Amino acid sequence: NAGVTQTPKFQVLKTGQSMTLQCAQDMNHEYMSWYRQDPGMGLRLIHYSVGAGITDQGEVPNGYNVSRSTTEDFPLRLLSAAPSQTSVYFCASSRNRDRVRTEAFFGQGTRLTVV
Amino acid sequence: QQQVKQSPQSLIVQKGGISIINCAYENTAFDYFPWYQQFPGKGPALLIAIRPDVSEKKEGRFTISFNKSAKQFSLHIMDSQPGDSATYFCAANDKTSYDKVIFGPGTSLSVIP
Repeated sequence: NAGVTQTPKFQVLKTGQSMTLQCAQDMNHEYMSWYRQDPGMGLRLIHYSVGAGITDQGEVPNGYNVSRSTTEDFPLRLLSAAPSQTSVYFCASSRNRDRVRTEAFFGQGTRLTVV
Repeated sequence: QQQVKQSPQSLIVQKGGISIINCAYENTAFDYFPWYQQFPGKGPALLIAIRPDVSEKKEGRFTISFNKSAKQFSLHIMDSQPGDSATYFCAANDKTSYDKVIFGPGTSLSVIP
């Protein structure tokens, strides 16, 4: 039982490049989300999903796309990387069953630098 | 505009002392208030959580106090230890939006011997 797995752990991109951050969970959680963490800003929600085929925007969605084709996977795509997207990205999952919450489980993070 | 405010930004406490972190919110759709602990290089992990129908919850050395009318809640760490040194985030779940979790900006706690 690996929990939430994010890849890669580190990435350097040039401005304008695109890439996909991978996130997979093996806990059969319905709810998955992506956050970015910047100094003094806490964790800001980018996109989230309440189940396969259902996604919605969070607080800071611009420049990012997501899709949820399976319960397990929730990739985050950067369409055209910008220096402002330099951050640490966290994926999280939790169960949303009958509106009974469980804790959010976080991955180890992806440290992204855009030059 | 931060939906969950948190203070202080950083905190230094001597070993054995009490660490107190305060949070406030405005959105009445928030109905679940977890605290997460994050060590350097790691993802956040749930520490303790409270629902607004309870005024206090205690788990070991960690206590959440909740004031629904003031829309404020706080984390108290009793007998603080160097191993408690971490960043602490208060958070709130939005029941009107699939339980989205909104985080405060975080408090960096250092417990010195």
